[in-house]
Amino acid sequence: AQKITQTQPGMFVQEKEAVTLDCTYDTSDQSYGLFWYKQPSSGEMIFLIYQGSYDEQNATEGRYSLNFQKARKSANLVISASQLGDSAMYFCAMRGLYSGAGSYQLTFGKGTKLSVIP
Amino acid sequence: DGGITQSPKYLFRKEGQNVTLSCEQNLNHDAMYWYRQDPGQGLRLIYYSQIVNDFQKGDIAEGYSVSREKKESFPLTVTSAQKNPTAFYLCASRARGGLTDTQYFGPGTRLTVL
Repeated sequence: AQKITQTQPGMFVQEKEAVTLDCTYDTSDQSYGLFWYKQPSSGEMIFLIYQGSYDEQNATEGRYSLNFQKARKSANLVISASQLGDSAMYFCAMRGLYSGAGSYQLTFGKGTKLSVIP
Repeated sequence: DGGITQSPKYLFRKEGQNVTLSCEQNLNHDAMYWYRQDPGQGLRLIYYSQIVNDFQKGDIAEGYSVSREKKESFPLTVTSAQKNPTAFYLCASRARGGLTDTQYFGPGTRLTVL
């Protein structure tokens, strides 16, 4: 079974500062993928960034980067230069190679609510 | 523009009624998914389909049914057997293969049982 843990229910960050959202995971799969999604108040889940378990480099996408520490089983999201529009719920998710009999099912954490302060 | 549409955005249902939530995608994706989200919670998988005319139960399929007659469409029916259907429902799709196998989501349907 796979499990995602996000220990920060809520976070505050000053505009233009960087913020790290924590995510730890547990899996017995050797090959897996880690995802971060953003959910604004409108409800849509917006894909932000992906990290494969065999990727040697940390993933980056614009202001988003993923701090992947495989031995610690952590996949923290770093948002640089926070903007007011970054205020939202953020979900960490993982997909095992053979989870759900090939369904590529995603297992989600409970999320972190980020509030950016002007 | 390519994307995933869900309708309606808000849905109200009386107890004992079945309701159907629509999900359509024009991304030419093979796989489609239905998730349920409760307040303060992450998403839980209801059903998924990897190809037309085939679908599989997820973790919380009881009280729900789906069909996949067309590649573009994956409607979800919430039946009267679902004990607590009030929730936010999200549909997603995924291209088969690809490096990341990323799932992309629609805007969601908020279902309220009166």
